[in-house]
Amino acid sequence: EDKVVQSPLSLVVHEGDTVTLNCSYEVTNFRSLLWYKQEKKAPTFLFMLTSSGIEKKSGRLSSILDKKELFSILNITATQTGDSAIYLCAVEAGGQAGTALIFGKGTTLSVSS
Amino acid sequence: DTGVSQDPRHKITKRGQNVTFRCDPISEHNRLYWYRQTLGQGPEFLTYFQNEAQLEKSRLLSDRFSAERPKGSFSTLEIQRTEQGDSAMYLCASSFIGRARGYEQYFGPGTRLTVT
Repeated sequence: EDKVVQSPLSLVVHEGDTVTLNCSYEVTNFRSLLWYKQEKKAPTFLFMLTSSGIEKKSGRLSSILDKKELFSILNITATQTGDSAIYLCAVEAGGQAGTALIFGKGTTLSVSS
Repeated sequence: DTGVSQDPRHKITKRGQNVTFRCDPISEHNRLYWYRQTLGQGPEFLTYFQNEAQLEKSRLLSDRFSAERPKGSFSTLEIQRTEQGDSAMYLCASSFIGRARGYEQYFGPGTRLTVT
């Protein structure tokens, strides 16, 4: 059965800290891995990763995929209170042109001032 | 606003009633997905459409659930004879699938269903 596992499930840090969120997966016919940020509403898209070893970066956030070891990490540097959210990892797997996303349970990040 | 929209945003209903939710995807997107999310869990896939064709349904989608996308634009999700276990956030997402590749899914704000 396809599965996506995120760790840790929750994390509390101080403003300015750097955090690393982990996502491992076991799926058939992997197509892409996506990271989303969810505050008290729908998930908002952060990154889509399809190739190993290529870092994607957006401001203080960056992510990289290792297709050999079947995991991805999401780094957030110089955290701010506005980074407090649930970070969801999802994998797109399956046949032609992919299919629905398989989500992990998420990592709840709390950044205190 | 050119994002994914959903209506209503909140719905409270009594057990046994039928409810219908609507999703309007981003206009140029040809794929539309429905997910369900409960507290402490990531979204779980329910079904998806490519244009007007329903291509896949999850085992989670019982016979009481039906979805349509009649003209390949907006979609509706109906739940008949609601049960308390149906209480959840129902999320709609859309994406564009081209000949060469697929693109990321964008989510709507969700409809929060509470069954009393």
